[in-house]
Amino acid sequence: KNEVEQSPQNLTAQEGEFITINCSYSVGISALHWLQQHPGGGIVSLFMLSSGKKKHGRLIATINIQEKHSSLHITASHPRDSAVYICAVGGGSQGNLIFGKGTKLSVKP
Amino acid sequence: GAGVSQSPRYKVAKRGQDVALRCDPISGHVSLFWYQQALGQGPEFLTYFQNEAQLDKSGLPSDRFFAERPEGSVSTLKIQRTQQEDSAVYLCASSGGLAGTYEQYFGPGTRLTVT
Repeated sequence: KNEVEQSPQNLTAQEGEFITINCSYSVGISALHWLQQHPGGGIVSLFMLSSGKKKHGRLIATINIQEKHSSLHITASHPRDSAVYICAVGGGSQGNLIFGKGTKLSVKP
Repeated sequence: GAGVSQSPRYKVAKRGQDVALRCDPISGHVSLFWYQQALGQGPEFLTYFQNEAQLDKSGLPSDRFFAERPEGSVSTLKIQRTQQEDSAVYLCASSGGLAGTYEQYFGPGTRLTVT
């Protein structure tokens, strides 16, 4: 079993829809990261959180430490949100991230 | 530039060739990570430096992989006698501290194709 599991693996939505991507992890962490990866490989950090909820524009990330679960929400989705969204956890002694396999989101106009 | 840069962006190597991939982290970042990302998969940890010290190389898949960061800034990942299974995107990331509590900044990656 992977230490970081994401669902769904693939998601297709219509423009304007509310989107939720889920992440569960099985290891102790000090922080959870949500990352966005566009075709071509570039990865951008969206959120780093260790408790509660963070909001940035149309993006909202929540984490429940007791349940070892996090969600990424996108409100009023737009085709430019199409990308792979990756959940990663940090907290090992060396600080490297452990990644989920990603959720490929496609938003249709 | 202000971000993490990697070179080359694309590399095609014939099986058996040696390759060297370069990473220029954000100036002043003490931590530097190398990750390998196979097609359709999430990145996987290869190795980690804090300044010039390689503190963890547990993710390196074989002794053909070697990484260095001699002056605590630029890092090079070297792959000797490349094999087809080495084909992947190699990502470099830097942070101001441990990834658990510091944001990581990623480079654009080097896409390695071994033919």
